[in-house]
Amino acid sequence: NAGVMQNPRHLVRRRGQEARLRCSPMKGHSHVYWYRQLPEEGLKFMVYLQKENIIDESGMPKERFSAEFPKEGPSILRIQQVVRGDSAAYFCASSWGDRGVEAFFGQGTRLTVV
Amino acid sequence: SQQGEEDPQALSIQEGENATMNCSYKTSINNLQWYRQNSGRGLVHLILIRSNEREKHSGRLRVTLDTSKKSSSLLITASRAADTASYFCATDRQGAQKLVFGQGTRLTINP
Repeated sequence: NAGVMQNPRHLVRRRGQEARLRCSPMKGHSHVYWYRQLPEEGLKFMVYLQKENIIDESGMPKERFSAEFPKEGPSILRIQQVVRGDSAAYFCASSWGDRGVEAFFGQGTRLTVV
Repeated sequence: SQQGEEDPQALSIQEGENATMNCSYKTSINNLQWYRQNSGRGLVHLILIRSNEREKHSGRLRVTLDTSKKSSSLLITASRAADTASYFCATDRQGAQKLVFGQGTRLTINP
């Protein structure tokens, strides 16, 4: 039973490019959560999605960031026109039902903007 | 604003000693969890304590929760070099699905 799978594990983008981060939840999980971890800091909630719905995006920056969780396929966190300040580790977690407290975390994608 | 505050920010002890880390939070919570993160890796869930619990044990880990002081502590007994990692507390509120993490404590166990 594979855990939460994130890819790529490491991503390097030049300023102004787009970054696409993928998250495949655990089998049977239909709820996905994205968190961002800046260097030397704790994780900060970004967005909570169910299949085809954004439930809570209170932690998402207003511009350049978007997230989706389609009916089929992984959840995608998209960052347009990346800037150096976007360099961080992005973690995805998944749960079955609205049980974000008991979500399982992936290994993260480390984004470096050069 | 960030809910959890942890102290110390960094802790360095000798192998075999006990390590204590503290977490304080600002608002009422439903649960509090502790996670470990090895350098550059993902999160490992350690233990969850509910707001109506005061103490919980898991192997060499002991967690306490004082809701009147809005604080929790994580005690690791008989530390090992492999315990070297960052430790984060995370809280959640009733009805909310997101976790709010503290800044973490970087623990170094010296052999």
